[in-house]
Amino acid sequence: ILLTQSPATLSLSPGDRATLSCRASQSISRYLAWYQQKPGQAPRLLIYDASNRATGIPARFTGSGSGTDYTLTISSLEPEDFAVYYCQQRSNWPPTFGQGTKVEIK
Amino acid sequence: EVQLVQSGGGLVRPGGSLRLSCAASGFTFSDYWMSWVRQAPGAGLEWVANIKHDGSEIYHVDSVEGRFTVSRDNAKKSLYLQMNSLRAEDTAVYYCARGLVAVAAICVYWGQGSLVTVSS
Repeated sequence: ILLTQSPATLSLSPGDRATLSCRASQSISRYLAWYQQKPGQAPRLLIYDASNRATGIPARFTGSGSGTDYTLTISSLEPEDFAVYYCQQRSNWPPTFGQGTKVEIK
Repeated sequence: EVQLVQSGGGLVRPGGSLRLSCAASGFTFSDYWMSWVRQAPGAGLEWVANIKHDGSEIYHVDSVEGRFTVSRDNAKKSLYLQMNSLRAEDTAVYYCARGLVAVAAICVYWGQGSLVTVSS
């Protein structure tokens, strides 16, 4: 299953709302996760099964979607949120990742 | 505190072998699916392999099938990735990861990563 993330880069300011998109090549039945990765670090799980926030993840991170279209929303960007975000499906083997969206400071 | 501590990366020649290890602590290792995920330099993430909590189910992505083998030792709370017939395109940071109970392909906790460089 191919996951396509858009946009490739999002240039925003602290306090802005960020909306990241992930589109699957076929229905993935909400089996979608979102990860955040900062340079030199391992990814961190934010959201699983489309809308379940992982332990310790702030409420400003919200996942939504169904079928083939999913969204990660960051309601108000904090300085530590500038990073690369990946979506990942587990509906079919092999699990696959999107190519990533970089959220950069404008 | 959940910890996954990796070891075993390094430089290897094409066609060579390497074994990565991942030592787990802070949770009941034998309850969880475990995974390996890799990231080539400057690139995105690629799933490599999964192994069920008791080792009864094992999956490898096609690009490593027949060359890489995931295994685990629940008594030692350790996960392994044996990599044979290595190619330049296997150069990447390899991460071990733990899922959720009874859920195979979610990476809740990650190791620190092990750099594998395949070069002559």
